This record gives sequence, structure tokens and C-alpha cells, in this order.
Amino acid sequence: GQNIDQPTEMTATEGAIVQINCTYQTSGFNGLFWYQQHAGEAPTFLSYNVLDGLEEKGRFSSFLSRSKGYSYLLLKELQMKDSASYLCAVRSLRGRRALTFGSGTRLQVQP
Amino acid sequence: EAGVAQSPRYKIIEKRQSVAFWCNPISGHATLYWYQQILGQGPKLLIQFQNNGVVDDSQLPKDRFSAERLKGVDSTLKIQPAKLEDSAVYLCASSPLTGGTGANVLTFGAGSRLTVL
Repeated sequence: GQNIDQPTEMTATEGAIVQINCTYQTSGFNGLFWYQQHAGEAPTFLSYNVLDGLEEKGRFSSFLSRSKGYSYLLLKELQMKDSASYLCAVRSLRGRRALTFGSGTRLQVQP
Repeated sequence: EAGVAQSPRYKIIEKRQSVAFWCNPISGHATLYWYQQILGQGPKLLIQFQNNGVVDDSQLPKDRFSAERLKGVDSTLKIQPAKLEDSAVYLCASSPLTGGTGANVLTFGAGSRLTVL
């Protein structure tokens, strides 16, 4: 089976940097995804890591360490609109493209 | 390109009644998924189709849930009879079959919010 852990809630200040961690256990790892979900809306794709290292995309970066079963999402220059839930999801070789999601981290950005 | 379409957006029913949700994926996407998202939790996979065949339905409560994708395009998810614990958002997602990172990205619809009273 698969197990994904991430913090339930985080609070940060506008303009700051926040790091959301995710640890996972899975057999046959085949990629880690981060999705953003605003309240009442669909999850939207943010980033994808399949190899170790950092992937940067504008204000958002995602890091993966396969040996440690660990990833983080880094959000820079926080804006109020970044207040949302951030979902960590893992794809396994057995999963045939389906993703297993963590429970999500609800981020609140304060002025 | 048009996104994943779902209907209805909201549905309120009483327990033991039935309900059906419809999904039209992005044109050309061979793989379609139904996820259940209970408030405060991450989405949980119910069923995955590739074209009109079922790839994985291991977490679908088959005594009450059914899903079909007869022509390999749109799909219907049905619940009969509904229970209180079925109150959730039902998310449909699709992905292409081939093509680098794009093949791995699921695109979600806005979801159908079900309340069972």
C-alpha cells in the first residue's frame, strides 16, 4: 500500500517563504505531484518530480529525495491568493497513472 | 482546450435514494478517473478507466457504487442506495495515454458535491 503524510495546517505571512513537507511510503515509486486546491474548487497541477532534486517554476519549487521518501513544496513571495490546500500525491508503477493523495495541507496567508 | 465537465455541481438527497453523476473528459484523453473527496481529506480513487475498460476499481464499494464509460468518452458514476457517509465531492479527472510528463498529469473537473440527509 501507500502512505502519505503532510501537516494539516500552516500559517504564513504575505511576502514570506513557506515550505510544505511531504513524506511517503510506496512500492514502485513513479513520481510525486503537488496540486493546489482552493476551497470549493478542483485541484490544479503545480509540479511533478520523478528524479531527485529541485524543480523550479516561478514562485513555486518542489524538491524530491527518493531515498528518504521526502518531498517539499516551497512557495516564495507569498500572496493572499496562495491561501489554499496543497495536496501531495504519489504515483506508483503499479498505479497505472492513478495518483494516491495525502490529506492536504491547508495554508493560510495573513497580511 | 475545454476542461473536464461535470454535472450536476450540487445534489442533495435523502439516504437510501439514488444519484448519478456525469463526466465528460478532455477531448482525446484516454484515461478517466473518479475520485471521492470527503471534507478535510485528500481525494481517494474510486475507479480508473482506460478507454472503455476498467483498469482499477479495487476501492469502489461495489454493493452500492457503479460506473460506466460505454463509448470510451463520457462516464457516469451512480450510487444506489446512498448512505450518510457518501456525502462528499465526487471529482472526475482525465489524462492522456502517452506523451512525457503530460501523460502523468491528471486534470480535474470542478466536482459534484453530494449531501446525503
